[in-house]
Formats: sequence, C-alpha cells, structure tokens
Amino acid sequence: DAGVTQSPTHLIKTRGQQVTLRCSPKSGHDTVSWYQQALGQGPQFIFQYYEEEERQRGNFPDRFSGHQFPNYSSELNVNALLLGDSALYLCASSSIDHTRASPLHFGNGTRLTVT
Amino acid sequence: KQEVTQIPAALSVPEGENLVLNCSFTDSAIYNLQWFRQDPGKGLTSLLLIQSSQREQTSGRLNASLDKSSGRSTLYIAASQPGDSATYLCAVFVDSGYALNFGKGTSLLVTP
Repeated sequence: DAGVTQSPTHLIKTRGQQVTLRCSPKSGHDTVSWYQQALGQGPQFIFQYYEEEERQRGNFPDRFSGHQFPNYSSELNVNALLLGDSALYLCASSSIDHTRASPLHFGNGTRLTVT
Repeated sequence: KQEVTQIPAALSVPEGENLVLNCSFTDSAIYNLQWFRQDPGKGLTSLLLIQSSQREQTSGRLNASLDKSSGRSTLYIAASQPGDSATYLCAVFVDSGYALNFGKGTSLLVTP
C-alpha cells in the first residue's frame, strides 16, 4: 500500500521563476493538505483541497496556488519565486471522514532551493 | 491565533535514559494534539494522537499526556535508544478549521 508520494524530491530554481510540486495521496484518501517547512521551523499550513476545491487557506500570498485532480492527486504552484520560498514542502493526505480524527499521513517532501 | 511552543529546543542524552519532551499551546479549544517524529530531510511520521477528551495515549516506549485546561502536553520516551534520535514535533488542531498548528520541534540525540 503506497503512502503519500511527492515529486520531485529536490528542485533548484532561480528567483522570479515558477515551480510546480506534485503529490499523490495515500490509497483511500481524498483530502490533500500542503505545508511549508523552513529550516529549523515547524511546518506551516498553506492550504487544503477536497473535491477539487480549496477548503481552507493559511497565511500565504496569492503567489501560492494549488489544484486537485479527480484522482485526488494535487499540485502546488508557486509563482515569482523569492529566496524566502526555499523550504521543504510537505504534502499530507487524509480521508474526509476522518480529516481531524485520524493522524495525517505525510510524504517525504520536496526540497526547494531558490537561488 | 494558536501558538505552540516546545521545550527544550535540543536535547542530548545517553542511551537508556528516560526523557520528557514538553509542548504548550495558547488556545485550549483544541480538537486533538498529535506528536510526530521527523528524521533529517524527511517527512513526518505520526507517533501518537490524543483527542481533546483524552488524558493520555501510549504506544510501546512512548507515552503522551494532555492537560487541555493548562495548555500542556508531554511526550515521555522510556529507555531511549540511538534510533530514537530525530526531531519531535507537537501539533494541534483547533476546534474550527483543518490546519495543524506545529511547534518548532525538539531535536533529540541519543548517544550510545
């Protein structure tokens, strides 16, 4: 049973560029959340998707956008990259029936470096 | 706004010691509290989840307690092993919303 998978594992981009990160949820899960984790910090909630709609958004600018596909996989897009966007981006999945009642399942993340 | 604080930020202990990691949160209106483990450069692995109505949860050598009214949780690790070396993160779901609020974590090193 595959868990949460994220791609790519590492990415290097230049300031001002755009990036797309991908996430496939754990089998049986239909809800995907994205978190940003800067070095030495705890993860910060970016947004959650369910039924292809953004369900809740954290305190992130509009440069951060997302999408969920009918197969429940998700993309995180970041435009006009800043040096401060360098971080580990984590995807977490859950079932809508147990979104808060059960532990979240996290992927291994995508390490984004902006130069 | 929910603030989660973890103390200490780093901890180094010899193998075999029992240890306690602390977590505090500012808003007691939580849905649940979760403890995660994170190995360097990796994702998060859920260790224990305590519902707001519960006082503690146990899994093997790990025991987590929750005092919702005082905004505190502790993670107790018995008979520590070098393989326990990792960063331990505490996170809470508030009653409303779907975002986990994380602390900055405690970096644990268990030396042989």
